[in-house]
Amino acid sequence: RKEVEQDPGPFNVPEGATVAFNCTYSNSASQSFFWYRQDCRKEPKLLMSVYSSGNEDGRFTAQLNRASQYISLLIRDSKLSDSATYLCVVSGAGSYQLTFGKGTKLSVIP
Amino acid sequence: DTEVTQTPKHLVMGMTNKKSLKCEQHMGHRAMYWYKQKAKKPPELMFVYSYEKLSINESVPSRFSPECPNSSLLNLHLHALQPEDSALYLCASSQADVGGSGYTFGSGTRLTVV
Repeated sequence: RKEVEQDPGPFNVPEGATVAFNCTYSNSASQSFFWYRQDCRKEPKLLMSVYSSGNEDGRFTAQLNRASQYISLLIRDSKLSDSATYLCVVSGAGSYQLTFGKGTKLSVIP
Repeated sequence: DTEVTQTPKHLVMGMTNKKSLKCEQHMGHRAMYWYKQKAKKPPELMFVYSYEKLSINESVPSRFSPECPNSSLLNLHLHALQPEDSALYLCASSQADVGGSGYTFGSGTRLTVV
């Protein structure tokens, strides 16, 4: 089983749509969880950390379910500028080192 | 300063050349990383430095040689590379504590080996 698995994508959605990405991780002792965004030919950039209580940043909401080892990212009212690859990232047990999922590509269409 | 600075941004080198990639951060992060990323793939870990000591080498060929001169600088020395080594090389840094707060990536060096 891969350490971090994401929806394969790609997701092609119209502007204004709501889109959800899912991710599962295999290491139950993982402590930190993140969503990164990567634009084409650019470096990954931290979008948001993910907490058990859930967290929201504008149109973006992230959720963590430790029991199911599941992370989600919800994007509301999609904009053209949201088009990117979204990487689910998880830390190891007792570690600051991160493991990256393969990413899900989102294309928001006019 | 919340940035990781990488130079050069682009590099074309022949298979017999020796070159170096440089990375610098002034955020007080004590963990620094080299990643390699091929098109349409996630970043692939190469090396981890923690408190200026090499802590992880992910079975990287010896034609890649990392160096950490001090807590702010990380180099990657390249020698006798192959065309398949062409990729985006990303440097990152983070706090070296359990759990962590995520990595900050540099903008990368796009390397082409001819």
